[in-house]
Amino acid sequence: DVKVTQSSRYLVKRTGEKVFLECVQDMDHENMFWYRQDPGLGLRLIYFSYDVKMKEKGDIPEGYSVSREKKERFSLILESASTNQTSMYLCASASPGTGVGEQYFGPGTRLTVT
Amino acid sequence: RKEVEQDPGPFNVPEGATVAFNCTYSNSASQSFFWYRQDCRKEPKLLMSVYSSGNEDGRFTAQLNRASQYISLLIRDSKLSDSATYLCVVRGNTGFQKLVFGTGTRLLVSP
Repeated sequence: DVKVTQSSRYLVKRTGEKVFLECVQDMDHENMFWYRQDPGLGLRLIYFSYDVKMKEKGDIPEGYSVSREKKERFSLILESASTNQTSMYLCASASPGTGVGEQYFGPGTRLTVT
Repeated sequence: RKEVEQDPGPFNVPEGATVAFNCTYSNSASQSFFWYRQDCRKEPKLLMSVYSSGNEDGRFTAQLNRASQYISLLIRDSKLSDSATYLCVVRGNTGFQKLVFGTGTRLLVSP
């Protein structure tokens, strides 16, 4: 059974803290994604990676960075957390080409920044 | 204008009913289309792809109308377990061809 795991289900951080969200997939997928989901706005793509050490900005990359040192692991970093980054963060992976349409999501991390 | 638009609902239907959702997209060059399902407090999961010729999977039927730029999802004989949010998803035609998600249509099936 395919699996995407995220390091935390719930996280509470203070404004200005550096926050690391980790995602691991066991499907040997080349592509990995970080989204945030907010009421009324849907899922919005923050960053994606199509190979180890490769990364591309999505629609809302400001305030975030990513790291992909190993194929199975994709990390999202909030350099200095702010209250407007309170959200549900979802990681996903997919195989390349036409497989990009079938993304497998992790359970999500609900981050609250106070 | 949003790239993908959906009626947020909720659609309240009794068990056994037939219900249909529509979704419109703005990029006429979009290549691929999907419906994802998201249960409350859970992650989205692919429900089905939408092909030009339409496709059916059990009680679920998806249709694509390129001329009018909308896709639809029909659910027949609704079950309580169909209660969820249904996300319309469109894949672009440029660059990496990332997915664009609609905000979802909520379905509530009652006994």
